[in-house]
Amino acid sequence: GQQVMQIPQYQHVQEGEDFTTYCNSSTTLSNIQWYKQRPGGHPVFLIQLVKSGEVKKQKRLTFQFGEAKKNSSLHITATQTTDVGTYFCAGRPTGGTSYGKLTFGQGTILTVHP
Amino acid sequence: SAVISQKPSRDICQRGTSLTIQCQVDSQVTMMFWYRQQPGQSLTLIATANQGSEATYESGFVIDKFPISRPNLTFSTLTVSNMSPEDSSIYLCSVAADSGNTIYFGEGSWLTVV
Repeated sequence: GQQVMQIPQYQHVQEGEDFTTYCNSSTTLSNIQWYKQRPGGHPVFLIQLVKSGEVKKQKRLTFQFGEAKKNSSLHITATQTTDVGTYFCAGRPTGGTSYGKLTFGQGTILTVHP
Repeated sequence: SAVISQKPSRDICQRGTSLTIQCQVDSQVTMMFWYRQQPGQSLTLIATANQGSEATYESGFVIDKFPISRPNLTFSTLTVSNMSPEDSSIYLCSVAADSGNTIYFGEGSWLTVV
């Protein structure tokens, strides 16, 4: 079945440093989504990427979808303590109409030291 | 957007008992899903809750252990049956909204089985 690998598992940064997490799928994806989960909270939808090579920005966050639609990255510029949490990518397989049937990566736990 | 309410938010359960989790959405949605997040782990799809028919279970999950109801387009329940400590997890309801472009998660039901 489809597998989604995410690295790194943990990332510790000083406030102000940049952060990147990478996601790779074993199969081509219809789209990929990114979520943030604060400690003790539930996953919150950040963004969906659909097109090959797509790049989207949300303030200090930049999301990329690979040309082959098998990999993606999330980059945070100048991290802040409010960025702390676990970032998950989730891929939707090609074909079918199960929009919520996602395969999640293992997540990257980000800690930011002030 | 969709607002999802889950009950209970937390519970401590005795092994061998069963617990039913409720998921209420503030609007009609076609697709509803149940995920499990074991401690420190990523999210795993349990099943798709189908309105008017039996749920569709993912590999490793069976109806006898996780019976699901979906009586209408705004409500679903997940029962965790004959619980063991290995069932201690967060159980999350999710829906696909905005024509499938956004996935929303409920706040989760944190179950501890003792």
